[in-house]
Amino acid sequence: KQEVTQIPAALSVPEGENLVLNCSFTDSAIYNLQWFRQDPGKGLTSLLLIQSSQREQTSGRLNASLDKSSGRSTLYIAASQPGDSATYLCAGSKAAGNKLTFGGGTRVLVKP
Amino acid sequence: DTGVSQDPRHKITKRGQNVTFRCDPISEHNRLYWYRQTLGQGPEFLTYFQNEAQLEKSRLLSDRFSAERPKGSFSTLEIQRTEQGDSAMYLCASSPKTRISYEQYFGPGTRLTVT
Repeated sequence: KQEVTQIPAALSVPEGENLVLNCSFTDSAIYNLQWFRQDPGKGLTSLLLIQSSQREQTSGRLNASLDKSSGRSTLYIAASQPGDSATYLCAGSKAAGNKLTFGGGTRVLVKP
Repeated sequence: DTGVSQDPRHKITKRGQNVTFRCDPISEHNRLYWYRQTLGQGPEFLTYFQNEAQLEKSRLLSDRFSAERPKGSFSTLEIQRTEQGDSAMYLCASSPKTRISYEQYFGPGTRLTVT
């Protein structure tokens, strides 16, 4: 059974600092890994999706890496801004189109 | 493309009542998923459909829960005889059928409060 862990559960950084968010998973037979952003009381916004054949994906200030052998993914957010304050969730699927298994999320606060 | 929509956005009900939620996926997305999220936790999978076929159900989906997707378009999730433990955010997602990825796109959720 796939288990996904995100540590730390909460993180506070000053504006401008780079953010590094960690995600670990127990089953290396992962098909996709997705990173999401969730604002309080809202749904999830997809940030990046990494397929198992890829090692990283980039979008603007965001970069996500995937290392299946070590069971880890990392989301980097460069030059953080107060608007980046949110909960970030990672989730993996074992096969194409299958359910996502989520981590508990990392709650990020970027202080102006 | 309009996004995934869910209705209602909020529902307050008394214990023992039945509730039904609706999800409209992104047009032409053939897969539709339901998840449940409690405060401070990541979403947990409930069930998913490919077109009108329900392909998988979680053990979380007790016999009080039922989901349908008639004609492979919108989906409904019904909870019968609600309990206080059913209070949660119910999230719907859809994904397209592509050979590249099955990225899931989420709706705004339905917040259920059982009093």
